[in-house]
Amino acid sequence: GEDVEQSLFLSVREGDSSVINCTYTDSSSTYLYWYKQEPGAGLQLLTYIFSNMDMKQDQRLTVLLNKKDKHLSLRIADTQTGDSAIYFCAESETGNQFYFGTGTSLTVIP
Amino acid sequence: DAGVTQSPTHLIKTRGQQVTLRCSPKSGHDTVSWYQQALGQGPQFIFQYYEEEERQRGNFPDRFSGHQFPNYSSELNVNALLLGDSALYLCASSLESDRFWTDTQYFGPGTRLTVL
Repeated sequence: GEDVEQSLFLSVREGDSSVINCTYTDSSSTYLYWYKQEPGAGLQLLTYIFSNMDMKQDQRLTVLLNKKDKHLSLRIADTQTGDSAIYFCAESETGNQFYFGTGTSLTVIP
Repeated sequence: DAGVTQSPTHLIKTRGQQVTLRCSPKSGHDTVSWYQQALGQGPQFIFQYYEEEERQRGNFPDRFSGHQFPNYSSELNVNALLLGDSALYLCASSLESDRFWTDTQYFGPGTRLTVL
């Protein structure tokens, strides 16, 4: 399978920006995704980016894709306590099967 | 609409036993995927069902099998349970027309399986 790597933990102060990083090995990825998982809840799709794009902005979320370095990042502006969760990046080449990273636990300090 | 529902919520089994987990997709969805999420890890793809057939399978042994019913609901069966099968099992439903999950994919809350 494909490798998708993330740092394990991130801690930020409320109101600051958070940047969560991800690296992947599959150069044929078609779409890349960011998911959020809160305790006791399923995975929630936050945003996605098509592989021929460099950047996508969606309200407080900004996704940056560096295809050459196989690096994906998610920036959350004005981070709130409700943003505390585990964030997963994922990629898919052909659809139907998705490879997820190990997850980054974001803690927002009030 | 209840979204994706899974049952049971929690399950405790012993090694060697068999288990069946159930998933009801979001109304109107025709495709069901199953993922295994071990503690502290990301979800790993087990298999996907569409039109009552296993369409794609991840790197899981034959002890893992499934079924999709005409109403699109699905079951995941695991035989000869091992301690390493302890995990959160997630079901995701989607539409075949959205195979890249950009519009219609939803995950259920999961079934927590503990194997003793």
